Amino acid sequence: DAMVIQNPRYQVTQFGKPVTLSCSQTLNHNVMYWYQQKSSQAPKLLFHYYDKDFNNEADTPDNFQSRRPNTSFCFLDIRSPGLGDAAMYLCATSGLGAYEQYFGPGTRLTVT
Amino acid sequence: QKEVEQNSGPLSVPEGAIASLNCTYSDRGSQSFFWYRQYSGKSPELIMSIYSNGDKEDGRFTAQLNKASQYVSLLIRDSQPSDSATYLCAVASSGGSYIPTFGRGTSLIVHP
Repeated sequence: DAMVIQNPRYQVTQFGKPVTLSCSQTLNHNVMYWYQQKSSQAPKLLFHYYDKDFNNEADTPDNFQSRRPNTSFCFLDIRSPGLGDAAMYLCATSGLGAYEQYFGPGTRLTVT
Repeated sequence: QKEVEQNSGPLSVPEGAIASLNCTYSDRGSQSFFWYRQYSGKSPELIMSIYSNGDKEDGRFTAQLNKASQYVSLLIRDSQPSDSATYLCAVASSGGSYIPTFGRGTSLIVHP
């Protein structure tokens, strides 16, 4: 089945210790997104890629970086995690010209 | 600033009843509307999309769109305890950004 995969599902890191979250997709979608979601809040868009074109939301902290080495893979790097970065990180994809988003299972990040 | 508003709930309904979830949006140029279901600790799952005024039915789910009044609703007939989740409304505009704006979601509890 075509799908969006995220690894790891759960990540525990220490304050200030860099962490990388990964996302892969077999849907062959052009657009990939990274969201941060905290409890009882709407998903907050951090970045998105339209093919290889990178788009950074204006309020995404510099502490967050992203890479998309090819169509299938996308990475979220948090350079120096703070306690406030503890959240669910969601990767999503959508097709060209489509608005429906398909989400991966998410990575739950805990910062100690 | 595009806004999507939902009552956070919780909305509590008995098993077998109709659950009615509502969403209002601020951007009159919005063209695409989505409902996502999100179980606790899980990622959002697309359950309905609607693009034209009126009703769209899919199984026990009916999405209703009224662009003049800028609201979209989701009806769940014969509600089951397994429908207990948070329902996120997402709205996208044609032209310009293809990225939907999410509401904070309404928590639905279906009690036996």
